[in-house]
Amino acid sequence: DQQVKQNSPSLSVQEGRISILNCDYTNSMFDYFLWYKKYPAEGPTFLISISSIKDKNEDGRFTVFLNKSAKHLSLHIVPSQPGDSAVYFCAATLNPYNTDKLIFGTGTRLQVFP
Amino acid sequence: EAQVTQNPRYLITVTGKKLTVTCSQNMNHEYMSWYRQDPGLGLRQIYYSMNVEVTDKGDVPEGYKVSRKEKRNFPLILESPSPNQTSLYFCASSRDSSGPQHFGDGTRLSIL
Repeated sequence: DQQVKQNSPSLSVQEGRISILNCDYTNSMFDYFLWYKKYPAEGPTFLISISSIKDKNEDGRFTVFLNKSAKHLSLHIVPSQPGDSAVYFCAATLNPYNTDKLIFGTGTRLQVFP
Repeated sequence: EAQVTQNPRYLITVTGKKLTVTCSQNMNHEYMSWYRQDPGLGLRQIYYSMNVEVTDKGDVPEGYKVSRKEKRNFPLILESPSPNQTSLYFCASSRDSSGPQHFGDGTRLSIL
């Protein structure tokens, strides 16, 4: 049973526009959420995180929104750039003080075209 | 340069032939993990280690072994590999239990 779901396997966005990547989860006990970005032939790299006590966290062009009642989070990238083309994974953990045990989603491949 | 190094990057082998994938980190991190990535399933944790000599099972530990004799190294051992272990494997480490994980570049294993 997939506890963290990314229902859109791919997304295509024009450069300069907003990219919105979505993630749903089923376990209401999840307390901390992270987004990772992965380029081909490389390992995932940490992008941004959010604690369940917040509903928004922003870092430059990247903003993560958390809706706990809907068990939904989203990553907004604005403006999108061609270098943002990658696979994005959301991940969740039960304990913000123990991110060693993460549950990952299946990933969304973002393509930003000129 | 801070990094997590996995070897080999690619391996094709046959069923039943024991193999080890090495993982080394130079950041003095306490936490290390192994994941496998499969199409449609995302990354799934195999084993993790909170410190030297402390390891625990992740979500898909069957068919794998690990050891943590030194802080920097966390090898993944497949004693008798089978075709269903054909996958892309990632090692990761983090400074402590609350830090984001740093991943290696992956090892693609093909078990024939």
